[in-house]
Amino acid sequence: SYVLTQPPSVSVAPGETARITCGGNNIGSYSVHWYQQKAGQAPVVVMCYDRDRPSGIPERFSGSNAGNTATLTISRVEAADEADYYCQVWDSSSDHQVFGTGTKVTVL
Amino acid sequence: QVQLVQSESEVKKPGASVKVSCKASGYIFTDYAMNWVRQVPGQGLEWMGWINTNTGNPTYAQGFTGRFVFSLDTSVSTAYLQISGLKTEDTAVYYCARERAEAATGVYFDSWGQGSLVTVSS
Repeated sequence: SYVLTQPPSVSVAPGETARITCGGNNIGSYSVHWYQQKAGQAPVVVMCYDRDRPSGIPERFSGSNAGNTATLTISRVEAADEADYYCQVWDSSSDHQVFGTGTKVTVL
Repeated sequence: QVQLVQSESEVKKPGASVKVSCKASGYIFTDYAMNWVRQVPGQGLEWMGWINTNTGNPTYAQGFTGRFVFSLDTSVSTAYLQISGLKTEDTAVYYCARERAEAATGVYFDSWGQGSLVTVSS
């Protein structure tokens, strides 16, 4: 089955840029979606189809995807961005959805 | 606005069954497929499968066959997850999530229920 690997944690100071990676074999050929999950809450989609921001998501969030790595970038990080982030793709070979391992973003 | 409201948390003994509900509002229920996602406390998201809200046909991910059943009651816009023969390792938060497709390259989950904690303990 398809595997998506994320770094367990990323730490960033307020105002700086956080980059969260999602690694997978030839992930550039998949559409990648990203979710933010704050403590005790349900996930919320923050990026879909690699780089499309859903309504209500700040422009500080951006996405890219090429080769074996997809990246969610959070510019001008704020304390409110502290959360777990998960990537997700559809694995057409199995017709299953796959989530990444998750990354905890800590704002210092 | 789109809302998915799930049933309250439950505590069950090993071997028992539980049925989690997910009531949808704010959209036409049969226009969007419904997915189920498990999150063991302190761990990541795990996709369990989905149900076609038009046909009622379910698809289960590996590891969620046999004891897990997805069902619908379209008359009340509600999806259900039933787990039988509960084990302590089934202790988790279970989410329903509406599926959104805007391209042929896959779907994402644009609305989520608040989650239902199922605790299995003797």
